[in-house]
Amino acid sequence: QKEVEQNSGPLSVPEGAIASLNCTYSDRGSQSFFWYRQYSGKSPELIMSIYSNGDKEDGRFTAQLNKASQYVSLLIRDSQPSDSATYLCAVSFYNQGGKLIFGQGTELSVKP
Amino acid sequence: EAGVTQFPSHSVIEKGQTVTLRCDPISGHDNLYWYRRVMGKEIKFLLHFVKESKQDESGMPNNRFLAERTGGTYSTLKVQPAELEDSGVYFCASSQLAGGPTDTQYFGPGTRLTVL
Repeated sequence: QKEVEQNSGPLSVPEGAIASLNCTYSDRGSQSFFWYRQYSGKSPELIMSIYSNGDKEDGRFTAQLNKASQYVSLLIRDSQPSDSATYLCAVSFYNQGGKLIFGQGTELSVKP
Repeated sequence: EAGVTQFPSHSVIEKGQTVTLRCDPISGHDNLYWYRRVMGKEIKFLLHFVKESKQDESGMPNNRFLAERTGGTYSTLKVQPAELEDSGVYFCASSQLAGGPTDTQYFGPGTRLTVL
């Protein structure tokens, strides 16, 4: 079983809609969770980090963490064509020096 | 403030040759990480430096890979001899902290390595 799993997509949503990206992880020791956005040929860029159960909002982005279900999600409200990218979910463990364990990423396409 | 830089952006070599990748982290970041993405797979951790010391090299595939960070500034990753399966995108990231809820790793643009 993969440590971090994401649907590879592509996920297609119309402009202005809510995009919902999901990620599950297998290790209950996972302690910090990250969402990175990666445009084609570019470097991963951190969008959100979360480590407590519940929701964390930043502008149009909301990260949701449910440790009991080992589930973390990213909601993008009012999706824009410029949000079209691959979204990477990653987890880390406090006692492992911060190394990130990534999922395969979900490709998001926002159609005008 | 300059971000993480990597050189070269692309490298095409033949099987058996040697390639050296370079990463310059953000100034003041003691933590430097190397990751690799092989086509069709997820980004995978290779190793972690704290200053000039290797903190964790559990992700290094084999002894054909050698990473150094002399003086605790830039880092190099040498592949010798390169094999076909080494092809992929090699990312470098740096951070001030080594994990924890407020840690942020900043990624470089990556080096795309193609071994023919």
